[in-house]
Amino acid sequence: EDQVTQSPEALRLQEGESSSLNCSYTVSGLRGLFWYRQDPGKGPEFLFTLYSAGEEKEKERLKATLTKKESFLHITAPKPEDSATYLCAVQGPGGGADGLTFGKGTHLIIQP
Amino acid sequence: DAGITQSPRHKVTETGTPVTLRCHQTENHRYMYWYRQDPGHGLRLIHYSYGVKDTDKGEVSDGYSVSRSKTEDFLLTLESATSSQTSVYFCAISVIYSPSILHFGNGTRLTVT
Repeated sequence: EDQVTQSPEALRLQEGESSSLNCSYTVSGLRGLFWYRQDPGKGPEFLFTLYSAGEEKEKERLKATLTKKESFLHITAPKPEDSATYLCAVQGPGGGADGLTFGKGTHLIIQP
Repeated sequence: DAGITQSPRHKVTETGTPVTLRCHQTENHRYMYWYRQDPGHGLRLIHYSYGVKDTDKGEVSDGYSVSRSKTEDFLLTLESATSSQTSVYFCAISVIYSPSILHFGNGTRLTVT
């Protein structure tokens, strides 16, 4: 059974204070690892897909990295608008989007 | 914007009553999904559809049924709602050129009293 563990559950940072969110996974044959952002009262919004160890993706202040056991979402000099819950999901060898396993998320708060 | 509309956005119902949630999409996507999101759990797949009248069960399908009679509409029905079905329900689609990436609606918050 695929498993995804995100840490920390919640993180409070000052504006400009860089940090990282962790997504540890166990899956037999990773086909893809996905990061989503979710704002209160909204559905998750896709950020990145990573497919193989060593891969990195960047978007504005966010950078996602992948190893064989975990992924990190690095947030550089965050702003209050980066406050959200960040979700990680993995796709095993079994199928398409119906085969995704989601983590519980990290609730990130950026204080001005 | 994937053109997904969920209705209603909020609903309160009593135990034992039937409830139907609607997901409407405007861009003719083939694949549609229903998820539930609860505190202490990741998003969990309830049912999904890969075309009109073609549906399949997900991880937590017990107590739920779905129907898709038109490409644009995917309905989720709770035949007899229970308190354990209090949750936020999200509809999602995936597009043919990126089939593993989900695009979500803004959810329906359902409370069963």
